[in-house]
Amino acid sequence: EAGVAQSPRYKIIEKRQSVAFWCNPISGHATLYWYQQILGQGPKLLIQFQNNGVVDDSQLPKDRFSAERLKGVDSTLKIQPAKLEDSAVYLCASSRTGVGFGYGYTFGSGTRLTVV
Amino acid sequence: AQTVTQSQPEMSVQEAETVTLSCTYDTSESDYYLFWYKQPPSRQMILVIRQEAYKQQNATENRFSVNFQKAAKSFSLKISDSQLGDAAMYFCAYRSGASYTGANSKLTFGKGITLSVRP
Repeated sequence: EAGVAQSPRYKIIEKRQSVAFWCNPISGHATLYWYQQILGQGPKLLIQFQNNGVVDDSQLPKDRFSAERLKGVDSTLKIQPAKLEDSAVYLCASSRTGVGFGYGYTFGSGTRLTVV
Repeated sequence: AQTVTQSQPEMSVQEAETVTLSCTYDTSESDYYLFWYKQPPSRQMILVIRQEAYKQQNATENRFSVNFQKAAKSFSLKISDSQLGDAAMYFCAYRSGASYTGANSKLTFGKGITLSVRP
C-alpha cells in the first residue's frame, strides 16, 4: 500500500508571499487531516475533511489559510499572505472510517515551511 | 476539550536498557483511544502502539509496552532493550471513540519528548 504523499518537502518564502502544499492520501481513505507542527510542539489539527466535505476547521486561521479537497481525494492547503509565525511542518494524514477503524492514521512526511 | 500532557521534554537511555516515557491526559469521555507515535528526523509520524480505553489489558508490541491507568488518566510507554534506532521524538496522542464516521476522530497530541540512546 502506497503511503500518504506530500509535496514539496521544503519551502522557503518571504513573509506576505503565498504558498501551497499538496497531499495525496492513501487510496480508499475517506478522512483527510492537515496538521501544523511548530518546532518543539506536538501537531495541531488545522482542518479535517470527510470525503470532500469539511468536518472540523475550528483551528484554521481562515483569514489567511484555505484548504480544499477536490473529488474527495487530493487536497491542497494554501497560506496567503504568510507570516513569520507560520513557519512549521505541515503534516497530512489520512484514515479509514467505519466500525473497526478507530485506530490511528497514516501520516505523510510533511512539508517544512520557513517564512523569512 | 481533551488535553494531553507530556511533562518530560527530554530523556536519555543507555543502549539495551529500559526507559519509560510518561503521559497524562484529561477527558470526560469513557470511550477513547490512546496512541504513542514516533517521529524520527524524517518527520513521518510512525505508530508505535495503541490502547483502547475499554480494554483493561495493557497493549504490547514487541519491545514496546504501555502502562494504562484509566482512573489516573495515565498512559506511559516502556521501551525495553533500547536500540540506537529508537532515538526520536515520541508523542502521546488521544482520539475520541465517540464516532466511527469521521467526526471527532482527530488526534490531540502532547508536546512530545526527545529520546536519545547512548551507545
